[in-house]
Amino acid sequence: GAGVSQSPSNKVTEKGKDVELRCDPISGHTALYWYRQSLGQGLEFLIYFQGNSAPDKSGLPSDRFSAERTGGSVSTLTIQRTQQEDSAVYLCASSSASGSSYEQYFGPGTRLTVT
Amino acid sequence: GDSVTQMEGPVTLSEEAFLTINCTYTATGYPSLFWYVQYPGEGLQLLLKATKADDKGSNKGFEATYRKETTSFHLEKGSVQVSDSAVYFCALKNGWGGTSYGKLTFGQGTILTVHP
Repeated sequence: GAGVSQSPSNKVTEKGKDVELRCDPISGHTALYWYRQSLGQGLEFLIYFQGNSAPDKSGLPSDRFSAERTGGSVSTLTIQRTQQEDSAVYLCASSSASGSSYEQYFGPGTRLTVT
Repeated sequence: GDSVTQMEGPVTLSEEAFLTINCTYTATGYPSLFWYVQYPGEGLQLLLKATKADDKGSNKGFEATYRKETTSFHLEKGSVQVSDSAVYFCALKNGWGGTSYGKLTFGQGTILTVHP
């Protein structure tokens, strides 16, 4: 079946602009995660959604970052007033549940470059 | 909070050599442990996992054993191939309530290059 998809695959934006990154999880997966992969920080958790529960936003680095998940499926990560330090690969993952043993399936990522 | 410490890389080996990548962790509760692999130009893929102490995860000739007493989950392969060249990430996921619940905590990643 279809895996996790993300769009765009690459995004170049000017400092100060807003960007939206999209994630389509595997159909039926109730848990959805956003991570960021950057050279200096490795792989960092940003936010996660589980069903209709309030999202865990504990990893968002600043209030310029926000995310929503509509209808329990597609998710959008929004970065306002982008800064050069936001340049990274943004990864989305989904899993059938959020328990510790459940595998997370990752999308190919969106490479964001802020100039 | 939870953390994963992974052997620094890069690691360069000849084909058929033995591979060990060390991974230790700090966590409250009873985490599950994972190794993810990222091949050049591809996304993260689960390589293997173990969900409780003394479990051994294995896949594609790779193995790792969940050692609670040493809080370790070292990755091993007896004979590496050129096609194993990739970045390897050790990770944990906690299954109990609290701020760690649900998310993966990753190590820094180890770049492995295998030469013919």
